[in-house]
Formats: sequence, structure tokens, C-alpha cells
Amino acid sequence: KAGVTQTPRYLIKTRGQQVTLSCSPISGHRSVSWYQQTPGQGLQFLFEYFSETQRNKGNFPGRFSGRQFSNSRSEMNVSTLELGDSALYLCASSLVGEGVTEAFFGQGTRLTVV
Amino acid sequence: GENVEQHPSTLSVQEGDSAVIKCTYSDSASNYFPWYKQELGKGPQLIIDIRSNVGEKKDQRIAVTLNKTAKHFSLHITETQPEDSAVYFCAAHLSNTGNQFYFGTGTSLTVIP
Repeated sequence: KAGVTQTPRYLIKTRGQQVTLSCSPISGHRSVSWYQQTPGQGLQFLFEYFSETQRNKGNFPGRFSGRQFSNSRSEMNVSTLELGDSALYLCASSLVGEGVTEAFFGQGTRLTVV
Repeated sequence: GENVEQHPSTLSVQEGDSAVIKCTYSDSASNYFPWYKQELGKGPQLIIDIRSNVGEKKDQRIAVTLNKTAKHFSLHITETQPEDSAVYFCAAHLSNTGNQFYFGTGTSLTVIP
């Protein structure tokens, strides 16, 4: 069974540019969550998508956005990149049932903003 | 929201010894507590979890305990091996927040051969 796939693995962007990251969840999983991981702030929740709808959102500026497609694949977009956006962006996939279910992470996309 | 604190931030043990990592949470409505292991260059891997209606759970050399009254939970690794060296994260899920998790700041475990 394939795990969570994130592409690309590495990205280098310039300040002011925008970037799109992709996440393919485990087959059958319908919930996709995104997290930002930095040495200073740890793992912080960005947003969660379920059935193509944003179900929950963390405390990040509007420059961070996402979407989910009918096949549950998700993308996140960061516009007007800042140096502080350099981080490992992680996607987690969950099989939505009654109550909370286990979340499985991909390997992440390492974004460097220069 | 929820606030999760994790201690210690670094831990070194001799191979074969036990390792214990502790976390506290602030909101009594939290109902699910997973633990993740993250190796260098990889994403976090779920290693064990516990729900609020259970006090202890064990899986081979790994165990997790939960004290709902004190709002703390712990990860216990027995007979540690060099391949256990990694960063470990605890997390808490607040009920009615979809699949959003609140993470501790991580513990870097080094097992010395």
C-alpha cells in the first residue's frame, strides 16, 4: 500500500515568488492536513481538507492557501514568499471515520526562500 | 486551542537502557494522543497512540501511558537500540477539530552503542 506522496521534495524560491506543493494521500483516505515544520516553531497546523472543503484552519496569514480535488489529492499554495516561509511542509493523510483517526505523514517538501 | 509541552528536549541513553519522554496538555477535551518518530530527512512516522478511554497501551518495546486527571502522557521505550535514535514528538487532538493535531516541541533521543 503506497504511503503519502509529496512533490517536489525540494524547492528553492526567491522572495516575492509563489509556490505550489502537492500531496497525494494514502488510497481511500479522504482527509488531508498540512503542517509547517521549523526548528523554532516546531510542527504547526496550517489547514485540513476533507471532501474538497477546508474543514479547519490554523493561524497563518492568507498568503497560505490550499485546495483538495475530487480524488483527495491536495495542493497548498504560498504567495508572495518571505524568508520566514523557509520550512519543511508536511502533509498528513487520514481515513475519516467516526471520531479522530490516525494521521500518516509524507516525507515533506523542503522549501528554501532566498 | 490546546497547548502541549514536551520534556526533555534531548535525551541520551546507553543501548539496552530505557527511555521515557513526557508530555502535558492543557485542554481536558483532548481525546487522542499519538506519538511520532522522525528520522533525519524523513517525515514523522506514527509509532503508537492512545485514546482518552484507555490508561496504557503497549506494542513490543514501546508503551504509552495516559493520566487524564493530571493531563499528562508518556512514551516508554525499553531495551533501546541505536536505531531508536531519532526525534520523537507527542501530539494531542482536541475533540471536534477534525484531524488537527497539536504537537510538542520534540525530544532528540540518542542511543549510545
